[in-house]
Amino acid sequence: EVQLVESGGGLVQPGRSLKLSCAASGFTFSNYYMAWVRQAPKKGLEWVATISTSGSRTYYPDSVKGRFTISRDNAKSSLYLQMNSLKSEDTATYYCARGALGAGAYWGQGTLVTVSS
Amino acid sequence: DIQMTQSPASLSASPEEIVTITCQASQDIGNWLAWYQQKPGKSPQLLIYSATSLADGIPSRFSGSRSGTQYSLKISRLQVEDTGIYYCLQRYSNPYTFGAGTKLELK
Repeated sequence: EVQLVESGGGLVQPGRSLKLSCAASGFTFSNYYMAWVRQAPKKGLEWVATISTSGSRTYYPDSVKGRFTISRDNAKSSLYLQMNSLKSEDTATYYCARGALGAGAYWGQGTLVTVSS
Repeated sequence: DIQMTQSPASLSASPEEIVTITCQASQDIGNWLAWYQQKPGKSPQLLIYSATSLADGIPSRFSGSRSGTQYSLKISRLQVEDTGIYYCLQRYSNPYTFGAGTKLELK
């Protein structure tokens, strides 16, 4: 059974940093691109980052480029999102997703990040 | 960035009815279009990928189609469990962009 379990969310002050983790199981992690997608409270979905199977290629939208870093550890079947210089508009539930959101995509249950003073 | 204009924003339908949700892309995206369903309090689930391909485990009541830069999701024989918000997603180019969502309620 495919499982993606996010962790690391919580309350953080503006300007501070937070690192999210996603533990994967039930599939060969190293064979899949992985992604992060977020959803602000009562809002729609926003793609945040994608990483290639080896980790050599990463992609971001302008809204987080330079502040967020996606990474992975294939030996640990784990995905990460380092978030720096956090802003109130980064408040959202962050989902870890298998694949590049196309065929075979599977999402975790999400972890809530609240940026507030 | 590619804009995905999704309509309607909401709709209400009865069980066994047929509903259609559409997304208009602001430029050619080929078949790089996916549809997701998000049930209340849950994470999104892939329904359709490559515009017309049914994801694993998804009932055949769901189908996707394409006409130029307009994409449609059709749900036949609506069931109560189809309640939720539906999103389209273009994967043609970065940044990937979602439609604003369609909230489907069953009468």
